[in-house]
Order: sequence, then C-alpha cells, then structure tokens
Amino acid sequence: EDKVVQSPLSLVVHEGDTVTLNCSYEVTNFRSLLWYKQEKKAPTFLFMLTSSGIEKKSGRLSSILDKKELSSILNITATQTGDSAIYLCALQGGSEKLVFGKGTKLTVNP
Amino acid sequence: NAGVTQTPKFQVLKTGQSMTLQCAQDMNHEYMSWYRQDPGMGLRLIHYSVGAGITDQGEVPNGYNVSRSTTEDFPLRLLSAAPSQTSVYFCASRSGAPGETQYFGPGTRLLVL
Repeated sequence: EDKVVQSPLSLVVHEGDTVTLNCSYEVTNFRSLLWYKQEKKAPTFLFMLTSSGIEKKSGRLSSILDKKELSSILNITATQTGDSAIYLCALQGGSEKLVFGKGTKLTVNP
Repeated sequence: NAGVTQTPKFQVLKTGQSMTLQCAQDMNHEYMSWYRQDPGMGLRLIHYSVGAGITDQGEVPNGYNVSRSTTEDFPLRLLSAAPSQTSVYFCASRSGAPGETQYFGPGTRLLVL
C-alpha cells in the first residue's frame, strides 16, 4: 500500500530562518508528488513534482524530488510569520487516489 | 467559476442521526474525492470517484456512502452518525489531464454528540 511519511511533525523557528521539510514515500507505481500549504481552511497547492532532480521554485519556497531516495524536500528561506501553516505532502501512485502524509506544522515566531 | 463548493459549513448531529454532506464542482472535473482531517492525522481518503457512476473506497470508508450520478455532484452520506465521525471533511476535484492538481472545497466541520 502506498505510504507517505513527513518529518518533522512540528517545527518552531524565528523569522528569517531557513527551514527544510521532509517527505519520504513508498509507492508501487509513482506518478507525482505534491506539496500543499494549509492555514485555517482548505489546503492550497504549492508544487507538483514528477521528475527527479528538477527544482521547482516559487518565491522563497522551493522543492525537489529524489526518486532514488524516495523522498522530497520543501525549503523555505527567510521565513515570515505568514509561512506558519501545516505543510502537507501527497503522493499519487498507480491509482487515481492521492495519499497524504500527516503534515508538518510550522510555526514562525517574530 | 465557483470552483469546489461544500455545504453545510458546520453541522452538529446527535449519535445515530443521518445526514448528507454536499459537494459540487463547476469545472467539469472527472475525479472527485472526500477526505476527513483529524488533528495530527493529515488528510485521509474516505471515498473517491473517477467519473459519473463510478466510485471506490479509500482508506477510511466505513460509516460513509457516496454516489456520483452527475459529473458535478458528489455527496457524502453518513447513515448513522457516531462520535468518531467528528471531523473536518474536505471535498476535492481534479481533471484527468496530466500535471493537473487537485482543488479543495472550503470544508465542512462536523460535530457528533
């Protein structure tokens, strides 16, 4: 069965710090790995990764996939209080289902 | 486009009551899913559908029924609510196109007493 494990589960940093969130997975037939940000309400899409070694970037956020290590990282540089959220990693394997990890709760203190 | 809509936003039920959570999308998406989110558990898939008339079970289907009579609507039914079904429920949809992401509705917060 497809599985996603995120670490750490919780992280507290100060504004300006750089953070790295991890997502590891087990999958029968990999199709894509997605990152979402969830604040108070519904998750919002950040990145979709399908190819190993190609960095996706949006402002201070970036992400990369390593298919050999069955993992992905999400980096946030120069963190701001508005980055405080739960970051979710999701995997799409052979079926049409998305399997989510438990999320990393990031708290950025001023 | 309204995107993915869910009703109600909040509901309180007594144990044993039944209700239907509504989900609709106006993007002509083939795939629709229902998730529940509990503290520290991430999003867990309840049921999903790959098109009108086709549904399948996810990770936690017990206690829930779904149907997909139209492309737009994907209601989730609780036949006999239990306190363990207290959760936040999210509906999501996406097209079948490669590289297309999944869009989430705003969620329904359900409390079962």
